[in-house]
Amino acid sequence: GIQVEQSPPDLILQEGANSTLRCNFSDSVNNLQWFHQNPWGQLINLFYIPSGTKQNGRLSATTVATERYSLLYISSSQTTDSGVYFCAVAQAGTASKLTFGTGTRLQVTL
Amino acid sequence: GAGVSQTPSNKVTEKGKYVELRCDPISGHTALYWYRQSLGQGPEFLIYFQGTGAADDSGLPNDRFFAVRPEGSVSTLKIQRTERGDSAVYLCASRGQAAGTGELFFGEGSRLTVL
Repeated sequence: GIQVEQSPPDLILQEGANSTLRCNFSDSVNNLQWFHQNPWGQLINLFYIPSGTKQNGRLSATTVATERYSLLYISSSQTTDSGVYFCAVAQAGTASKLTFGTGTRLQVTL
Repeated sequence: GAGVSQTPSNKVTEKGKYVELRCDPISGHTALYWYRQSLGQGPEFLIYFQGTGAADDSGLPNDRFFAVRPEGSVSTLKIQRTERGDSAVYLCASRGQAAGTGELFFGEGSRLTVL
């Protein structure tokens, strides 16, 4: 099956700093989603981005499908950004059956 | 409903018992997925329904696990003869588009602890 690698595995930032999270995948996809899992375990949808660039407030994401990677940018980080960020992908013909990466654990400190 | 609803939010049971976990998808969503997340891991796929039928059950770990969706809306994940290794958070997701692509939305999960 498709492999999904996320980096870095852990990240500690001071409030106000910017960061870039990376997701590499091993095959072509027709679905790519970024999620934030908060400390209570809820998976919150950030972006549905199989290709292109999107922005939502302080967050933006870019997927370069031909090169099999996606980036999540967090600007002016806040303590509420803490948690685990997951990238998940699905190959064409799998009815969006998502395969998740192992996540990036982000801690934002004051 | 407005979001994917899962019940119970927490379930503690003893080894060998039978457990049912319920998922109520977003109204009108035809596709429904079950995932399992163990501590420190990403969610792993269990089973996918399109309408009433299980279109892909390749992620079910063994025949103790079974899921149904009799009317194409609410789904129940059933676990027989539970084992301690079944302890995890069970997540349900739904998707609205009838075609094979589209965004998945997850519920808050059911945390299962097998003693």
